[in-house]
Amino acid sequence: ETGVTQSPTHLIKTRGQQVTLRCSSQSGHNTVSWYQQALGQGPQFIFQYYREEENGRGNFPPRFSGLQFPNYSSELNVNALELDDSALYLCASSPDRPTANEKLFFGSGTQLSVL
Amino acid sequence: DQQVKQNSPSLSVQEGRISILNCDYTNSMFDYFLWYKKYPAEGPTFLISISSIKDKNEDGRFTVFLNKSAKHLSLHIVPSQPGDSAVYFCAAPGGSYIPTFGRGTSLIVHP
Repeated sequence: ETGVTQSPTHLIKTRGQQVTLRCSSQSGHNTVSWYQQALGQGPQFIFQYYREEENGRGNFPPRFSGLQFPNYSSELNVNALELDDSALYLCASSPDRPTANEKLFFGSGTQLSVL
Repeated sequence: DQQVKQNSPSLSVQEGRISILNCDYTNSMFDYFLWYKKYPAEGPTFLISISSIKDKNEDGRFTVFLNKSAKHLSLHIVPSQPGDSAVYFCAAPGGSYIPTFGRGTSLIVHP
């Protein structure tokens, strides 16, 4: 059983550009969540997908968008990058529809730097 | 809405001693809490959890205590080992059971 993998591990972009980050969930996991972790902060919830439909969204602007695919992969797209978007982006999967005691399985993240 | 606060950004402990990491939350609606551990260059991994039907949950050297009236939980590590050096996040579910994370406490265990 493979874990959660993310690509790329590091990325450098300039302000105003667009970026796509990718995640491959653990096999059989129907829920995927994306988090942004800024330096010195905890992971902040961006959005969640369950069986390819958005299941919740955090306090992020519409230029943050995502997709989940039937093959347990997903992507996070960020348009019009800003300097404050520089952060570690974490993907997390879980087996089924979220419950209070659901454990998340995280990837190692993509470190995005916006110059 | 759920807010989770970890007010100690860092903690330094001698090997063999007890480490105590604290966490406060605001919303008692779900009363299920999880701790995650994060090493550098890795994603967070689940460590231990506790539900509101208990006030203590133990797993080896790790014990989590829950004080529902104070909306406070703590993670005890006894004895602390250098390999425990990591960032520890407290997480609590909010709306739609989506977990809210604290900002983390960086634990350093000195040999």
